[in-house]
Amino acid sequence: KAGVTQTPRYLIKTRGQQVTLSCSPISGHRSVSWYQQTPGQGLQFLFEYFSETQRNKGNFPGRFSGRQFSNSRSEMNVSTLELGDSALYLCASSSPWGDTEAFFGQGTRLTVV
Amino acid sequence: DQQVKQNSPSLSVQEGRISILNCDYTNSMFDYFLWYKKYPAEGPTFLISISSIKDKNEDGRFTVFLNKSAKHLSLHIVPSQPGDSAVYFCAAPASSNTGKLIFGQGTTLQVKP
Repeated sequence: KAGVTQTPRYLIKTRGQQVTLSCSPISGHRSVSWYQQTPGQGLQFLFEYFSETQRNKGNFPGRFSGRQFSNSRSEMNVSTLELGDSALYLCASSSPWGDTEAFFGQGTRLTVV
Repeated sequence: DQQVKQNSPSLSVQEGRISILNCDYTNSMFDYFLWYKKYPAEGPTFLISISSIKDKNEDGRFTVFLNKSAKHLSLHIVPSQPGDSAVYFCAAPASSNTGKLIFGQGTTLQVKP
């Protein structure tokens, strides 16, 4: 069974630009969550999508947005990039119900210069 | 409000000895906990979990203990191996029927040969 796939693995963008990251969950998983990890920080929850609907949202500005497609693939978008957006962005997929672990992708390392 | 806390940023142990990583939580509604292991620039890998109806769960060299009255859990690794050197995160689902996980800040474990 294929794992969670995130593309691209690495990205360098300039301040003010926008970026789109992609995540393909494990087959059959309908929940996709996004997390941001910055140096010295834990994993900060961005948002969760389930059946194409945003089910949960973290405390991030509106520049961070996402969506989920009918095949459960998800994208997140960051507009008007700031230097502080440089981070490892992680996607996790899980089965719809609780009490099961979330499976993470390798992450996308975004560097804003 | 940090609902899941790992108060030790780092831990160093000798190969073959026991590693004990600690985690505290504040939300008494949490009923399921997970431990993840993370190498730099990679996504977290699920290690072991425990439901609140248990006080211990064991999987090979890894054992998680849960003390609900103290709102405390710990991960024991016996014997520790150099390949265990990584960052360990404890996490709890924010609520039932959600993929959103709340993570602690992580503890960096170094196992010395």
